[in-house]
Amino acid sequence: DSGVTQTPKHLITATGQRVTLRCSPRSGDLSVYWYQQSLDQGLQFLIQYYNGEERAKGNILERFSAQQFPDLHSELNLSSLELGDSALYFCASSVDSGVRYEQYFGPGTRLTVT
Amino acid sequence: AQKITQTQPGMFVQEKEAVTLDCTYDTSDQSYGLFWYKQPSSGEMIFLIYQGSYDEQNATEGRYSLNFQKARKSANLVISASQLGDSAMYFCAMREGGTNFGNEKLTFGTGTRLTIIP
Repeated sequence: DSGVTQTPKHLITATGQRVTLRCSPRSGDLSVYWYQQSLDQGLQFLIQYYNGEERAKGNILERFSAQQFPDLHSELNLSSLELGDSALYFCASSVDSGVRYEQYFGPGTRLTVT
Repeated sequence: AQKITQTQPGMFVQEKEAVTLDCTYDTSDQSYGLFWYKQPSSGEMIFLIYQGSYDEQNATEGRYSLNFQKARKSANLVISASQLGDSAMYFCAMREGGTNFGNEKLTFGTGTRLTIIP
């Protein structure tokens, strides 16, 4: 158990809908990262927050947004969902921001868009 | 160009044997970190080992060691005395230094599926 929690574990929804994925980092970790794992794209970085502020952005679609709250939990919002958004979405956290800090991953949310 | 290359899509290894999973990387940064993660069939990503670009010694964590050859830009994972529970996907990842407020992401390779045979 990494100490990172994600809810829900599974999510099935229809095209065009909007969903919210939630992540609670390990106690004391200030950085939260979101990744998408799909069969065709592999593991891709989406976005990072550090202590409530956006720190880095990857290939995140405009239909996707995220935020980190004062209690450090984070939410990833996916809207106008398409079939291609079906993937495993991971949240990870690290104690600080920098090259040497390992990221601990949550169990993931498996999103299926039908 | 791929930043992280894992050339072995799949490997089969006899139980109790040692196994080496290959990883090469590409970066122009002087400061970077290399990571290995394990993803069992259940889906979670488990952190295994870390190597910093300035670390002079190869990293070790229990049965895991990282064979770091900086000049060749390779960071191979060695698992000693493999066990059935080692069957999983293994991902090599890199974090580049960049500025203080950027490049925080991990870039992953495509992974190697390791199967341990009893």
